[in-house]
Amino acid sequence: EAQVTQNPRYLITVTGKKLTVTCSQNMNHEYMSWYRQDPGLGLRQIYYSMNVEVTDKGDVPEGYKVSRKEKRNFPLILESPSPNQTSLYFCASLGWNTEAFFGQGTRLTVV
Amino acid sequence: AQSVSQHNHHVILSEAASLELGCNYSYGGTVNLFWYVQYPGQHLQLLLKYFSGDPLVKGIKGFEAEFIKSKFSFNLRKPSVQWSDTAEYFCAVELGYGQNFVFGPGTRLSVLP
Repeated sequence: EAQVTQNPRYLITVTGKKLTVTCSQNMNHEYMSWYRQDPGLGLRQIYYSMNVEVTDKGDVPEGYKVSRKEKRNFPLILESPSPNQTSLYFCASLGWNTEAFFGQGTRLTVV
Repeated sequence: AQSVSQHNHHVILSEAASLELGCNYSYGGTVNLFWYVQYPGQHLQLLLKYFSGDPLVKGIKGFEAEFIKSKFSFNLRKPSVQWSDTAEYFCAVELGYGQNFVFGPGTRLSVLP
């Protein structure tokens, strides 16, 4: 079954404590992307990756890092989380002429 | 810069009213176009997609969308909305092969019973 798996689904953490949200896809898609969703602001792109070892900033990259060492995984790293990074995060993967597949979302709270 | 815009931030309709949500994109090359829906508390769900061919595409739940290349538009329509259509709707554009996948800001639809 084609899927994008995000973990964890829910996370509460404290300011400054490094965390990683994992994203994995099983469709051999080249393109993967991270979004954050906040009330009234829609889905804003954080980082995206066209292929292995190729990553680019989206609209709101500050405070985030990503890596794409292998095609299936695209982790999102918050080196020093802050309360303004409290949000709902979605990972997506996409192949040309296919729909985008989304993870279930990660609800992050930074206190 | 490439972008996707949606005409309305919040639309309020009564049941049985007709719906049209606007979506425009700014990119001159070949695109793939999508509409996603997000019901309260749930993740994104694909409504319909356009890759090529007939510019009028039909999706799930009675939705359809029309791609007008000359207007860079991909508007979503439904002839008669139901209360269960209350959700947030996102237009999205894949900006060519191997290019970025960009969302519009979303339109919140509230359908009054």
